[in-house]
Amino acid sequence: SAVISQKPSRDICQRGTSLTIQCQVDSQVTMMFWYRQQPGQSLTLIATANQGSEATYESGFVIDKFPISRPNLTFSTLTVSNMSPEDSSIYLCSVRLAGRFQETQYFGPGTRLLVL
Amino acid sequence: RKEVEQDPGPFNVPEGATVAFNCTYSNSASQSFFWYRQDCRKEPKLLMSVYSSGNEDGRFTAQLNRASQYISLLIRDSKLSDSATYLCVVNQAGTALIFGKGTTLSVSS
Repeated sequence: SAVISQKPSRDICQRGTSLTIQCQVDSQVTMMFWYRQQPGQSLTLIATANQGSEATYESGFVIDKFPISRPNLTFSTLTVSNMSPEDSSIYLCSVRLAGRFQETQYFGPGTRLLVL
Repeated sequence: RKEVEQDPGPFNVPEGATVAFNCTYSNSASQSFFWYRQDCRKEPKLLMSVYSSGNEDGRFTAQLNRASQYISLLIRDSKLSDSATYLCVVNQAGTALIFGKGTTLSVSS
């Protein structure tokens, strides 16, 4: 399994500002993912971040709004830029590890963001 | 059509009850199937993978019907601690997971 930590665990921000969320994993992983979970909704993938290459964004998400860094195999950051109240959500970092029979995906505890 | 659809819920059952959740997926190329559990204000955690032959883990039984693109989760002898949201999850090889909206289970004494 993987132990994933995220910072900050929660924040309240003013609109127009930016917040950078950090994700640290206790083992080296190739694939890291950033998800968003809005209130009462399921998880939506924002982007896939592989070390050594640019992040791949899903439809509806762009690099200017959600820049991602992946400097090494255990760490990644997601920035929520120029925030608006619609960005209020839980942001989750996730990694995929190879298991005996198949890959398993693990999630960090999430960052709860409230934009005023 | 949504990629992964689940029973809307919520399911409110007494302790000891048997409850079943259903899920359908739209992409016939999906290769891996999972049930995740998410407790209130917590991150999702893998409950069990779903194999073609069906699989059981204690009180939990998962089944897959590829022809119908249908997945199920059966919980027997429900416990209070089973109260959570259960997420149906699918993916193709090498791609990210696709999550259903989840089904909420509330077990009462």
